[in-house]
Amino acid sequence: QVQLVQSGADVKKPGASLRVSCKASGYTFIVYFIHWVRQAPGQGPEWMGWINPNGGATKYAPKFQGRVTMTRDTSISTAYLELSSLRSDDRAVYYCARSTGSYSYFDYWGQGTLVTVTS
Amino acid sequence: SYELTQPPSVSVSPGQTARITCSGDALPKQYAYWYQQKPGQAPVVVIYKDSERPSGIPERFSGSRSGTTVTLTISGVQAEDEADYYCQSADNNDFYVVFGGGTKLAVL
Repeated sequence: QVQLVQSGADVKKPGASLRVSCKASGYTFIVYFIHWVRQAPGQGPEWMGWINPNGGATKYAPKFQGRVTMTRDTSISTAYLELSSLRSDDRAVYYCARSTGSYSYFDYWGQGTLVTVTS
Repeated sequence: SYELTQPPSVSVSPGQTARITCSGDALPKQYAYWYQQKPGQAPVVVIYKDSERPSGIPERFSGSRSGTTVTLTISGVQAEDEADYYCQSADNNDFYVVFGGGTKLAVL
């Protein structure tokens, strides 16, 4: 069965960087895009960008450009999200999600990773 | 930036029909998708490509489009349908993914 398993919750200081991993299983990793979506407490989902595991091309939402990096390691079917210069309003649950294309729907989601930013 | 607009809340009694709208200028050219999200859980797609229903989603969930508005209809609402619902689509220029602000469905 398809699974996206993310790394655990994390606490960061303002100005630091976060790194979240998303390990895929149950399907051929390079066939599907991996998107990253975050959700602040009480808010709706916010799309951050995608990575195409087949080749590594990326596209980031304008709001995060310059601060976000998405990478992948196809040898272990894992995608990574890095977000730098963290602020308190980056506190959110970060999800990875799978889709067949760059702006299609997400059929499988990771369990989410809570990132707290506090001094 | 491109936005999708949803009503903040919709309330219905069990057995009634709930309709949740999502408006956006690019919707005539872009597919819309609908997600259900319950507290503490990841979103789950209930409608894709405007009106297609994934396997495992009850038939009471349906989707439609009219111009710049798409609608999620839940017929014969059940208590378990109480959740937040989000539409998703993309803009026509850069094809950035966009989510609506969400609609809280209350089953009274």
